[in-house]
Amino acid sequence: EVQLVESGGGLVQPGGSLRLSCAASGFTFSSYEMNWVRQAPGKGLEWVSYISSSGSTIYYADSVKGRFTISRDNAKNSLYLQMNSLRAEDTAVYYCARHKGGSGLNDYWGQGTLVTVSS
Amino acid sequence: SYVLTQPPSVSVAPGQTARITCGGNNIGSKSVHWYQQKPGQAPVLVVYDDSDRPSGIPERFSGSNSGNTATLTISRVEAGDEADYYCQVWDSSSDHPKVFGGGTKLTVL
Repeated sequence: EVQLVESGGGLVQPGGSLRLSCAASGFTFSSYEMNWVRQAPGKGLEWVSYISSSGSTIYYADSVKGRFTISRDNAKNSLYLQMNSLRAEDTAVYYCARHKGGSGLNDYWGQGTLVTVSS
Repeated sequence: SYVLTQPPSVSVAPGQTARITCGGNNIGSKSVHWYQQKPGQAPVLVVYDDSDRPSGIPERFSGSNSGNTATLTISRVEAGDEADYYCQVWDSSSDHPKVFGGGTKLTVL
């Protein structure tokens, strides 16, 4: 059974940092591209970042570029999102999602972890 | 970057057919995916590559895509279909390749 479990969310002050993790199981993690997607309270889904299976190709949304860093450790079956210079507008539930196929669908999602940026 | 436009809300009576649209420039040339999200839950893929259904998704869910509009159709709507629905494409020519529509709230009257 495919499972994605996010962790690392919490309350952080503006300008602070947080590192999210996503533990993957039930599939060959190193063969799949991955994404982070977030959802602000009461708002829609917003794509945050993408990483290829090897980690060699990475994309970011403009809203996080230069502040967030996506990475992965295939030996540990884990995906990460390092978030720096956090702002109030980064407050959201952050989901990791498995990326499948050339058409870029997300077939499995974690349950999400809440990040709250507030003083 | 590429923009997907969805109506904020759609309402339908039980047993009727709901149609949720997703507009984008020449979206017919792209593969469109649809997600269902119920309150407090993660999104679930309900249609992929315009019109295919993952295993476990009822046949009542179907999709089409042509020109500038993709459509998610839910036949014989049930109360349990009430949720937010999002369309999504992968724009491989962009360095912001994954795009979601703004979402549509489906209300079952």
